[in-house]
Amino acid sequence: DGGITQSPKYLFRKEGQNVTLSCEQNLNHDAMYWYRQDPGQGLRLIYYSQIVNDFQKGDIAEGYSVSREKKESFPLTVTSAQKNPTAFYLCASSQGDATNEKLFFGSGTQLSVL
Amino acid sequence: AQSVTQLGSHVSVSEGALVLLRCNYSSSVPPYLFWYVQYPNQGLQLLLKYTTGATLVKGINGFEAEFKKSETSFHLTKPSAHMSDAAEYFCAVSVAQGGGSNYKLTFGKGTLLTVNP
Repeated sequence: DGGITQSPKYLFRKEGQNVTLSCEQNLNHDAMYWYRQDPGQGLRLIYYSQIVNDFQKGDIAEGYSVSREKKESFPLTVTSAQKNPTAFYLCASSQGDATNEKLFFGSGTQLSVL
Repeated sequence: AQSVTQLGSHVSVSEGALVLLRCNYSSSVPPYLFWYVQYPNQGLQLLLKYTTGATLVKGINGFEAEFKKSETSFHLTKPSAHMSDAAEYFCAVSVAQGGGSNYKLTFGKGTLLTVNP
């Protein structure tokens, strides 16, 4: 089955630690996205990539980093500079531009701080 | 800059009753509009979208939404609620930036729908 796989489902971060969230897609989509979801806040865009080896900051990129070395993979690193990392993180992809095309979402990773 | 307002963070209906989830947007140019649904601990799924053409859009699971430019609204409706409709619903708007071809997608804060037996 085609889709987006996020791992792990739950992740715990110690203070000062960097953690990496995995996102893999086998939909052959060019564009991939990372969103952060906080209760009652909707989704906020962290980073997006429209092509391999290229990515752009979204609305809340500070404290996060990404890479796009392969079309199917778009890992997100939550760095120690992100002081409030506890949230639900969603990865998504789209065939074309997500702004007028359907977004396909993974099942998310819940990140919590120990 | 565009914005999306979902009126009511929580809506409760009885099974079989009408579902109405409200979404208003602000934009100086014609937008693209979307409704997504999220079940607990899952990602979002597209319910329906409006780009151009017919203003009444039908989606999956019996949902539909009507684009009303004069009211800057895109409310989501379903004639008869089912227990399986209980989820969180997000309205999203996509607008061209600066009159160019770059669009920005903005999500509303979501409305949690509960369905009572």
